[in-house]
Amino acid sequence: GENVGLHLPTLSVQEGDNSIINCAYSNSASDYFIWYKQESGKGPQFIIDIRSNMDKRQGQRVTVLLNKTVKHLSLQIAATQPGDSAVYFCAENIKGRRALTFGSGTRLQVQP
Amino acid sequence: GAVVSQHPSRVICKSGTSVKIECRSLDFQATTMFWYRQFPKQSLMLMATSNEGSKATYEQGVEKDKFLINHASLTLSTLTVTSAHPEDSSFYICSARSGVQGARETQYFGPGTRLLVL
Repeated sequence: GENVGLHLPTLSVQEGDNSIINCAYSNSASDYFIWYKQESGKGPQFIIDIRSNMDKRQGQRVTVLLNKTVKHLSLQIAATQPGDSAVYFCAENIKGRRALTFGSGTRLQVQP
Repeated sequence: GAVVSQHPSRVICKSGTSVKIECRSLDFQATTMFWYRQFPKQSLMLMATSNEGSKATYEQGVEKDKFLINHASLTLSTLTVTSAHPEDSSFYICSARSGVQGARETQYFGPGTRLLVL
């Protein structure tokens, strides 16, 4: 079934610092991963994705790292800004399933 | 990225009434749409997969007679919460996916609908 987080872990960083948000996934058959950003009262917004045949992918101020050995995914945000404050979810595409499977989410708080 | 819209963005209704939520893909055709429910401080919970021209597939524990889904076209799916009760109050989010099954397909999300049942 879907992951449901009862209490969102929170990462608090200072403006300008780099942020690293981690995610552990469970299924070795997952072939595609996405990071979403969700601001309060809004739907999830696509940030960056990565296929399982890659280890790293970079976007504007964001980098996603994938370690298939330990089933770990991370999102790095460079020079974090107050506008980055939100809840971040990782999602995995498990082969054979049509819907993405979501992680429990991490709240990022950026202190000005 | 692709744009997905939802209507209404917020709805308040009395217990026992039915509420319809629309989800539209604005700039692409979505053969598959998904409906999620999200409670405060929790992750998204998949309710059902909406397939254009066929019956929806519901997740375990989701009552298909209570949450009616219709995917009448490649750009529109509707979720109707029938005989709503206060425990149905939640944030309902749809997403749409296009492309060939098996290929990389990003899910794009709508802005969500806040339902409050009094």
